[in-house]
Amino acid sequence: DVKVTQSSRYLVKRTGEKVFLECVQDMDHENMFWYRQDPGLGLRLIYFSYDVKMKEKGDIPEGYSVSREKKERFSLILESASTNQTSMYLCASSLLGGGESTGELFFGEGSRLTVL
Amino acid sequence: GNSVTQMEGPVTLSEEAFLTINCTYTATGYPSLFWYVQYPGEGLQLLLKATKADDKGSNKGFEATYRKETTSFHLEKGSVQVSDSAVYFCALLYSSASKIIFGSGTRLSIRP
Repeated sequence: DVKVTQSSRYLVKRTGEKVFLECVQDMDHENMFWYRQDPGLGLRLIYFSYDVKMKEKGDIPEGYSVSREKKERFSLILESASTNQTSMYLCASSLLGGGESTGELFFGEGSRLTVL
Repeated sequence: GNSVTQMEGPVTLSEEAFLTINCTYTATGYPSLFWYVQYPGEGLQLLLKATKADDKGSNKGFEATYRKETTSFHLEKGSVQVSDSAVYFCALLYSSASKIIFGSGTRLSIRP
């Protein structure tokens, strides 16, 4: 069974703290994604990566950064957390070939972050 | 630009009722279309997909037909069950950018 694992299901942080959200996939997928999910807004893409050490900005990258040092691991970093970053964060991976996506994303269970 | 619009929820139905969740899209070219489902406490998972006009995707009793003339991909099920209670997301992939765009999601609740 394919597996995307997010390290923390629930986190509570204070404004200004640095936050790390970790994601690991065991499917040898080239591509990994970070989304945030907010009521009424659906899923919005923060960052994605097509290869190790490679990253691309999504639709809402401000206030976030990412790291992909190994193929299986994709980390989302909030350098200085703010209250408007309270949200559900979803990691996903997919198999791509030559830059084309099949469209099937495999998601983790999500990390619910609350910033006080 | 490319976008996906789906009916707002929540949608509440009785068990064995007929379900339709509307989804329309705006896209240049010929996108692939998807329905993802998110059960309580879980991440999203692919429910069904269609990659070209007139294709019908189906899975677990759900169906959706890719209608290019109406730019729609409505999700249907003939007889819903309590276990279908979830949030459903319509999505499109435009391959020129290899990006997937999601709709806002529709929460479905089924009463026993």
